[in-house]
Amino acid sequence: QVQLKETGPGLVQPTQTLSITCTVSGFSLTSYYMQWVRQTPGKGLEWMGFIRSGGSTEYNSEFKSRLSISRDTSKNQVFLKMNSLKTEDTGVYYCARDGDSDFDYWGQGVMVTVSS
Amino acid sequence: DIQMTQSPSFLSASVGDRVTINCKASQNINRYLNWYQQKLGEAPKLLIYNANSLQTGIPSRFSGSGSGTDFTLTISSLQPEDVATYFCLQHNSWPYTFGAGTKLELK
Repeated sequence: QVQLKETGPGLVQPTQTLSITCTVSGFSLTSYYMQWVRQTPGKGLEWMGFIRSGGSTEYNSEFKSRLSISRDTSKNQVFLKMNSLKTEDTGVYYCARDGDSDFDYWGQGVMVTVSS
Repeated sequence: DIQMTQSPSFLSASVGDRVTINCKASQNINRYLNWYQQKLGEAPKLLIYNANSLQTGIPSRFSGSGSGTDFTLTISSLQPEDVATYFCLQHNSWPYTFGAGTKLELK
């Protein structure tokens, strides 16, 4: 059974770094790309980037300068780190598996509030 | 970037109604369009991939059509459990982009 679950800090101060973990089960990270998507009040759903099954990454240029995606295959975890947070980064952050159907399974998302 | 214009934003329909939701791409995306259902507090669920392929386990009342720039999600006979927000995703080219969503409620 494919499952994805995001965990994160909930509240982050402006200018600080956001770290979110996506823990997966039911499949191997070495066989699938993993995507990150966020949903903000200002811009709706936005694709952020992905990590390939081989470990290389691609980022939306909107976030490229401050976003990093990595993984630990031994722990079945994918990580999102984004620095220089602003209040506009407040939203729900999702990880999704990029399977045969692309973005076929998603986590429930984690709410992140950027506020001092 | 490819803009996805989804309509309507809000839809009210009765049980048994045929419901259609549209997504229009600002340029050709071939058939690289997915449709999702999202209920409050739940993970988005893939309904239709590549414009018209029904994801495994999804009821056959859901169908998708279109290619190029114009796409439609159809629910042939609305059921109470279909109350949700629906959105489209184009995965033809980076950056992938989403429709703004359609909130479907029962009349």
